[in-house]
Amino acid sequence: QVQLVESGGGVVQPGTSLRLSCAASGFTFSTYSIHWVRQAPGKGLDWVAFISYDGSNRHFADSVKGRFTISRDNSKNTLYLQMNSLRAEDTAVYYCARESVPYGQWHNLDSWGQGTLVTVSS
Amino acid sequence: QSVLTQPPSVSGAPGQRVTISCTGSSSNFGAGYEVHWYQQLPGTAPKLLIYANSNRPSGVPDRFSGSKSGTSASLAITGLQAEDEADYYCQSFDSSLSGSVFGGGTKLTVL
Repeated sequence: QVQLVESGGGVVQPGTSLRLSCAASGFTFSTYSIHWVRQAPGKGLDWVAFISYDGSNRHFADSVKGRFTISRDNSKNTLYLQMNSLRAEDTAVYYCARESVPYGQWHNLDSWGQGTLVTVSS
Repeated sequence: QSVLTQPPSVSGAPGQRVTISCTGSSSNFGAGYEVHWYQQLPGTAPKLLIYANSNRPSGVPDRFSGSKSGTSASLAITGLQAEDEADYYCQSFDSSLSGSVFGGGTKLTVL
């Protein structure tokens, strides 16, 4: 079955960096576009970033543009989110989520990981 | 302020019907982009509930239905059950932002 497992979260100070990983299994990772979505404590879902199935197309929310990068290693079935210049407002649970349609872009998200908590605090 | 606007909360008694609205604009729903709905139970990851405006994934009861018209969309839940108590989010693509957008979420309380 499809499984997405995030890791790499933790407590960091403002201005520092963190890299999240999302390990995928149960499907052909290289054929699906993936998103990062975050949720601040007690708040709603907030889209963060998108990477196409082959890594050729990447998009970011304005709130993280220039600070976050998204990448994938299809040989390792792993997605990454490199987060630099972290701010208190980046504190959230970060989910990776798979699109439902292979070789597609901007489709619905049919599989989600359990999330990893990032806390930015001094 | 979310690009897609949802009511913060709705409520209904068991067995009743409730609807949750999601209002967009010309750069998302009005441009023809589809709406998707997610259910998030307390302490869990979101789950896809409705995709492409009105389609249910396998396993989702037919008590849940979705529709979209113009710049608005809605999720309807009939025969409310206690286990439907959750947060519900709409989602679409926005061409002005070149990215995905979520509604602010609606908390459903089953009275």
